[in-house]
Amino acid sequence: DTGVSQNPRHKITKRGQNVTFRCDPISEHNRLYWYRQTLGQGPEFLTYFQNEAQLEKSRLLSDRFSAERPKGSFSTLEIQRTEQGDSAMYLCASSFPTGLTGELFFGEGSRLTVL
Amino acid sequence: AQSVTQLDSQVPVFEEAPVELRCNYSSSVSVYLFWYVQYPNQGLQLLLKYLSGSTLVESINGFEAEFNKSQTSFHLRKPSVHISDTAEYFCAVSKETSGSRLTFGEGTQLTVNP
Repeated sequence: DTGVSQNPRHKITKRGQNVTFRCDPISEHNRLYWYRQTLGQGPEFLTYFQNEAQLEKSRLLSDRFSAERPKGSFSTLEIQRTEQGDSAMYLCASSFPTGLTGELFFGEGSRLTVL
Repeated sequence: AQSVTQLDSQVPVFEEAPVELRCNYSSSVSVYLFWYVQYPNQGLQLLLKYLSGSTLVESINGFEAEFNKSQTSFHLRKPSVHISDTAEYFCAVSKETSGSRLTFGEGTQLTVNP
């Protein structure tokens, strides 16, 4: 399968623990995006990369959140000292280099449950 | 900043009936408009998009949407739905210069009943 891959698909953790999600985009895509989706809501933008450069971060991305894309391929999203409010589906998407077509290719998401 | 309002959170219809899912947006600049669909246990997929040109755009599975600039709307329609169209539908916008950073609406759950 050559789509966007996210791991793990589900993560249950206790409040205060750190978690990390990984996203492998479609290989020829150089833009990578992270979104968060809570129940009954649409996806909310968190951050995006062009190659290894993080070009934009949402105000939703508190200091406990950090995203990296060290070699311009896969990306990780780490949440430190998790809180119950962090429970959500974390979506990764990638797009073609121009990005102007607006088509994002989404993975199936990583669901986080914080107890 | 732009925003998207999907006026119906749930739309139940019977199979073969027509359906319209409403979407309104607000933006001070020109935007691109999209409908994404999320089938159960699957990732979001692009259904159709408006970038420029004809204001009526169509998908390969019979959906269409019309960009109405004066009413700032991009409603999604299908003349006859199938049970397989049951899914959540998200309207989204991006600014022309935003590098595909999408702002999504809250979604409309379309349920097609036999």
